[in-house]
Amino acid sequence: QKEVEQNSGPLSVPEGAIASLNCTYSDRGSQSFFWYRQYSGKSPELIMSIYSNGDKEDGRFTAQLNKASQYVSLLIRDSQPSDSATYLCAVNSGGYQKVTFGTGTKLQVIP
Amino acid sequence: GAGVSQTPSNKVTEKGKYVELRCDPISGHTALYWYRQSLGQGPEFLIYFQGTGAADDSGLPNDRFFAVRPEGSVSTLKIQRTERGDSAVYLCASSVPESGANVLTFGAGSRLTVL
Repeated sequence: QKEVEQNSGPLSVPEGAIASLNCTYSDRGSQSFFWYRQYSGKSPELIMSIYSNGDKEDGRFTAQLNKASQYVSLLIRDSQPSDSATYLCAVNSGGYQKVTFGTGTKLQVIP
Repeated sequence: GAGVSQTPSNKVTEKGKYVELRCDPISGHTALYWYRQSLGQGPEFLIYFQGTGAADDSGLPNDRFFAVRPEGSVSTLKIQRTERGDSAVYLCASSVPESGANVLTFGAGSRLTVL
């Protein structure tokens, strides 16, 4: 079982719709959870972090965490073509500060 | 510096050669990470430094790979006897885990091509 699992996509949504991206993780001791966005040919950049169960909103982005189900999600409201990128789920696991990434979900927002 | 700096940005080498990739983290960032990313994949963890010591090197694929951070700042990833399968983008990231939020800031990456 992979430590962090994501559907590789591509996920296609029309402009203005809600995009929903999902991630599961295997280490129950994980404490911190992150969503990074990676444009083609560029490096990952942080868009959201979440540390406790529930929802966290930042502008058009909402991160959701359910530690009992070992599940993290990212919702993007009013999707824009500029949101088209690969979204990487990352988990800070174990007693150290090791950060493990999923394979990423490619999002395509269709104008 | 203002960001994480990686050199070289591109490296083409021949199978069997030795390669060094350098990472200069954000000033004051105590943690430094190396990842490897192949096309269509997520970043694959290689090694993590806290200060000068390697806190976790469990991701290094074999003994051809080695990394150092002698003064707790700049790090060098060293690859001996390169193989074609080593071709990838090598990403470096730094952070301040002591802040409680271990947010990684990535460099632009070093693209390694082994012919």
